[in-house]
Amino acid sequence: NAGVMQNPRHLVRRRGQEARLRCSPMKGHSHVYWYRQLPEEGLKFMVYLQKENIIDESGMPKERFSAEFPKEGPSILRIQQVVRGDSAAYFCASSPRPSDEQFFGPGTRLTVL
Amino acid sequence: GENVEQHPSTLSVQEGDSAVIKCTYSDSASNYFPWYKQELGKGPQLIIDIRSNVGEKKDQRIAVTLNKTAKHFSLHITETQPEDSAVYFCAASKGEYGNKLVFGAGTILRVKS
Repeated sequence: NAGVMQNPRHLVRRRGQEARLRCSPMKGHSHVYWYRQLPEEGLKFMVYLQKENIIDESGMPKERFSAEFPKEGPSILRIQQVVRGDSAAYFCASSPRPSDEQFFGPGTRLTVL
Repeated sequence: GENVEQHPSTLSVQEGDSAVIKCTYSDSASNYFPWYKQELGKGPQLIIDIRSNVGEKKDQRIAVTLNKTAKHFSLHITETQPEDSAVYFCAASKGEYGNKLVFGAGTILRVKS
């Protein structure tokens, strides 16, 4: 059973460009969480999604950030008009049920030049 | 909202010694407490977790204790090995629908051989 997959693993964008981060949960998992890790810091919750629904986006910046988890395909975290402060590692986690343990992917390291 | 504090921020031990990392949380409604190990360039890996109806849990060389009254929980690693060197994160959640994790800032553990 493959683990949580994220791509790309590394992404470089210039200020003002868009970044799209993809997450494929573990097989059988329909709950997806996105977390952001700034350098030398812990992980901060961003958003919790189920298939076709955003359940909790309380950690998501109000502007430029959006997330989706369509019926088919991976979950997408989209950052529009990136700024240098968006440089971070973005991790996705999945679980089979809402209160179960979360399994993390390897992360996408975003660098904004 | 929930706040999790983790100590120490760095810990160096001799191979074979024990290591203890402590976390405190602020929200008495939190009832799920996982510990993650993160190696350089990788995603967090769940190593042990505990729920609030249990005071202690052990898995080989790793144990976690929980004091609900004092709102703190600890990770204990015995007979440390060089491969235990990593960053360790504690987290807390209410374990309700949508298991949003609030993480501590992390502890860098170095095991010297």
